[in-house]
Amino acid sequence: EAQVTQNPRYLITVTGKKLTVTCSQNMNHEYMSWYRQDPGLGLRQIYYSMNVEVTDKGDVPEGYKVSRKEKRNFPLILESPSPNQTSLYFCASSLREPDNEQFFGPGTRLTVL
Amino acid sequence: ILNVEQSPQSLHVQEGDSTNFTCSFPSSNFYALHWYRWETAKSPEALFVMTLNGDEKKKGRISATLNTKEGYSYLYIKGSQPEDSATYLCAFSAGRRALTFGSGTRLQVQP
Repeated sequence: EAQVTQNPRYLITVTGKKLTVTCSQNMNHEYMSWYRQDPGLGLRQIYYSMNVEVTDKGDVPEGYKVSRKEKRNFPLILESPSPNQTSLYFCASSLREPDNEQFFGPGTRLTVL
Repeated sequence: ILNVEQSPQSLHVQEGDSTNFTCSFPSSNFYALHWYRWETAKSPEALFVMTLNGDEKKKGRISATLNTKEGYSYLYIKGSQPEDSATYLCAFSAGRRALTFGSGTRLQVQP
């Protein structure tokens, strides 16, 4: 089944404790992206990747890192999480550049205490 | 940060009503305009991706139009059903890279 998977789905952590949210797609998509969703603000793009080893900042990259060492994986890293990073996070992928529909993962709800 | 605006923010209609929403985006450097349907507790699902001025797309009772010169897109739902209740998101791409989403229109269809 073609899908985007994210892990973990739910995470409660404390300020400053490094964490990684994994994202994997099995559709051989080139474009991958991370978003955060906050009430009243819609989806905001954190980082995106056009292909392996090619990443770029979205609208809200501060406090996040990403890497794209393999085509299928695009992990999101929070080196020192803070409470303002409490949010719902979505990973998405599309075949190529963003003139193709995005396929979204199931979301990761992160709480930073 | 690009400004993508959707209106109205929310809408309550009766079953059988037809409705439409608006997405406004910058008219310069247009690359693509997306529409997504997002049900509560699920992930957004793509409805349409449009790239050409004047594009019209249709999927069942839902259709969308695109005007890149004036910077707007309309999403139409004909004969709304309770299962159409969801948040409808548009997203704009300027150039060939990033995607900026609007904050969505929340539709509730009363039986």
